[in-house]
Amino acid sequence: AQSVTQLDSQVPVFEEAPVELRCNYSSSVSVYLFWYVQYPNQGLQLLLKYLSGSTLVKGINGFEAEFNKSQTSFHLRKPSVHISDTAEYFCAVSDLYGGATNKLIFGTGTLLAVQP
Amino acid sequence: EAGVAQSPRYKIIEKRQSVAFWCNPISGHATLYWYQQILGQGPKLLIQFQNNGVVDDSQLPKDRFSAERLKGVDSTLKIQPAKLEDSAVYLCASSPWDIFGGLFFGSGTQLSVL
Repeated sequence: AQSVTQLDSQVPVFEEAPVELRCNYSSSVSVYLFWYVQYPNQGLQLLLKYLSGSTLVKGINGFEAEFNKSQTSFHLRKPSVHISDTAEYFCAVSDLYGGATNKLIFGTGTLLAVQP
Repeated sequence: EAGVAQSPRYKIIEKRQSVAFWCNPISGHATLYWYQQILGQGPKLLIQFQNNGVVDDSQLPKDRFSAERLKGVDSTLKIQPAKLEDSAVYLCASSPWDIFGGLFFGSGTQLSVL
């Protein structure tokens, strides 16, 4: 069974500074990986995903993530954050097989707190 | 296009009462998901429908939770009777078929059980 670990429950950062949110997964099979963002009192929104191909994936709002199979990681990065990036970020994993029956397993989330 | 609609937005009930949540997915989306998000945790899948059939309900507490998706469109999730530990945000999501294009989430229903 898959699992996702987001070790940092909260990451404080100053505006315009770079940030990295860490995500590690465990799975006995090949996986698909996702990052979702949740703004206060809203549902989750897809930031980016890795399905195959290039291990560097670019998403919305200037975010990118790199899939590292040997380290079983999928860390999220942004070179310069804005106040508006303050939100909860969730990493999620699904295995490669199963088609329409695949389900997403979410991590516990990381609160990105951008300070002026 | 209109997003995933959920109602009510907030609900406060006492333990042992019943409650129901409603979800209308994006038009044309075959797959509908109900997630439970407890404070400080990631969303946990409760049930997944493909059209009006159940694909996965392995984590649904069936002694108190039930869900249906009549006619393969909107869905209702019910809790009867509610327990204190059911306090959470209940998120509905939909996708065209599978998860790989991404799930589209509603704003959720925040349930407080007193």
